[in-house]
Parts: sequence; structure tokens; C-alpha cells
Amino acid sequence: KAGVTQTPRYLIKTRGQQVTLSCSPISGHRSVSWYQQTPGQGLQFLFEYFSETQRNKGNFPGRFSGRQFSNSRSEMNVSTLELGDSALYLCASSRGQGPYWGYTFGSGTRLTVV
Amino acid sequence: DQQVKQNSPSLSVQEGRISILNCDYTNSMFDYFLWYKKYPAEGPTFLISISSIKDKNEDGRFTVFLNKSAKHLSLHIVPSQPGDSAVYFCAASGGGATNKLIFGTGTLLAVQP
Repeated sequence: KAGVTQTPRYLIKTRGQQVTLSCSPISGHRSVSWYQQTPGQGLQFLFEYFSETQRNKGNFPGRFSGRQFSNSRSEMNVSTLELGDSALYLCASSRGQGPYWGYTFGSGTRLTVV
Repeated sequence: DQQVKQNSPSLSVQEGRISILNCDYTNSMFDYFLWYKKYPAEGPTFLISISSIKDKNEDGRFTVFLNKSAKHLSLHIVPSQPGDSAVYFCAASGGGATNKLIFGTGTLLAVQP
């Protein structure tokens, strides 16, 4: 079965621009979570969506936003990009809510801000 | 405030020997823990998990131990293989109806042939 698909894989943007990243979960999975990975910081939780509703949000500025569509696909948007936003952005999908359901990660989108 | 800590950034082990990766946490509300392996340019892959009601869980070459009183967990890989070389992350969940995971900063394991 198809895994979690993130597009694009790589992206280069200029400071001040905005960017939209996409995540298509595994078929039947209704939850999508987003994480930012930077060197030395591990994976930092951004937000979690379930059935088109944001259920949880991490400690990131309001420039980071997201949404989930009725087909469970999710997008995250970062406005007014800063150099520090350069990172690997990962999404994970799950069938339900709670860690017992398990999570499957996509390969990520590597964002470079110049 | 780093609630989940992996204090060893790297670990080198000989093939066939045991690899022990450690993880400490500070939040006593965490009740479920997971280990992930990550290769460069790929997303994390789930390895093994443990609920706080247990102190050990095994799956093939992988065993996770949980010491709740010490707020410490460890992942044992026996025997270690060169293909195990990757970054290992431990993650914790506060339980309930949330998919939020708190990750450690990772340990780079190198298994030498």
C-alpha cells in the first residue's frame, strides 16, 4: 500500500517569501501531524489534525499554520520565511488518535531559506 | 525545556555486539514511549514501543526497557548489524487522544563491520 507522501521533496525559498508544503496520508488514516527537524534539535512538534480539525499545536510562531482537507490530505504554510526556518519538515499519519494506533512518517520536505 | 533527552549524540559498536541507547525524560505524565530509526533523506521508521504499565518489551533483536522510577528507558539491539547504523530517536506521549510526540535529539549509532 502507498505510504505517506510529502511534496515537494526539496524547496529553496528566499527570506520573506511564503511556502506551502503538502502531505498525503496513508489511505484510511484520518490524523496528520507535522514536525520540524533541525540539527541538534531533534523533531519538534508543530501541529496535529484529525478530521479536518486542529487538535494540538506546538510552540511555534503564528507564521506557521496548517489545515486538513476532507480527504485527510494536509498542508502546512510558513509565511515571511526566516533563515532559521531551514529544516526538514516531516508529517506523520495515523488511523486514529493516541499512540497505540502507531504513526507512519513521510520522507519529508527539505526547506532551505536563503 | 527538553522533556526527553538523549545525552549521547553518538555511539560506535562492533558488529555482533550489543548496542545500548539511552533516553531520559522529565515529565511523569508520559505513559507511552516509542523508538524510531532514521536514515538520511528518509523519514523516521518505527522500531518498538512500550507502555508505562510494562518494564520490558521485545521484538526480535530489539528490546526496550523502562524504569519509571528513574524516568529512564533504553533500547538494546542484539546482535548489532552494520545495517543498524542510523540515528535513533526516542519519543514520548502524554497519552489520551493526542498524537503529539515529544522527541529526543537522537543518537547516531555506527556499527563497525
